[in-house]
Amino acid sequence: TQLLEQSPQFLSIQEGENLTVYCNSSSVFSSLQWYRQEPGEGPVLLVTVVTGGEVKKLKRLTFQFGDARKDSSLHITAAQPGDTGLYLCAVGSGNTGKLIFGQGTTLQVKP
Amino acid sequence: KAGVTQTPRYLIKTRGQQVTLSCSPISGHRSVSWYQQTPGQGLQFLFEYFSETQRNKGNFPGRFSGRQFSNSRSEMNVSTLELGDSALYLCASSRGRRPTYEQYFGPGTRLTVT
Repeated sequence: TQLLEQSPQFLSIQEGENLTVYCNSSSVFSSLQWYRQEPGEGPVLLVTVVTGGEVKKLKRLTFQFGDARKDSSLHITAAQPGDTGLYLCAVGSGNTGKLIFGQGTTLQVKP
Repeated sequence: KAGVTQTPRYLIKTRGQQVTLSCSPISGHRSVSWYQQTPGQGLQFLFEYFSETQRNKGNFPGRFSGRQFSNSRSEMNVSTLELGDSALYLCASSRGRRPTYEQYFGPGTRLTVT
């Protein structure tokens, strides 16, 4: 059983469309991170959310942490081909550098 | 500030051989973590080193080992390679202190075992 369940696993949309990716769990977390990974590269940290109900914006990307700190969502407005990639949510485990990742959502934005 | 660097970027080995991968963290970062990424299992934690000590270890066999040097650079070694070890191996660095779950990844080493 995955600690973090991401949905959908795959998403293929046209440029200009909006989309939402979800990261769910039955556990409570002190913080949650979102990463984006492009083919052949390592994940790049997009944002960290720490407070229940918190909303953070990064240009056209909006991140929300659930009130109960068990889930999070990533919303992209007017998607562009440059948004194509693998989106990963992750949480820390213990007081160390261990991150547990969701399985990821592969996003393809067609021009 | 320079990012995390990993060498080599690509590697092809045969079954039974061993391999050593290298990672140089961001300057000032004392924690280095290693992850294995495969299409089937996704990103899985291998181990973390902080100040030359292994602080956490994932569920991988003893064939996977690592170490960290006094300058925070890290190496991981895989002995007796198996076909299933083919993967992208990612190194990540962080300051190593709470709240330090934010990690900065290198580009990875693509290992192919034939």
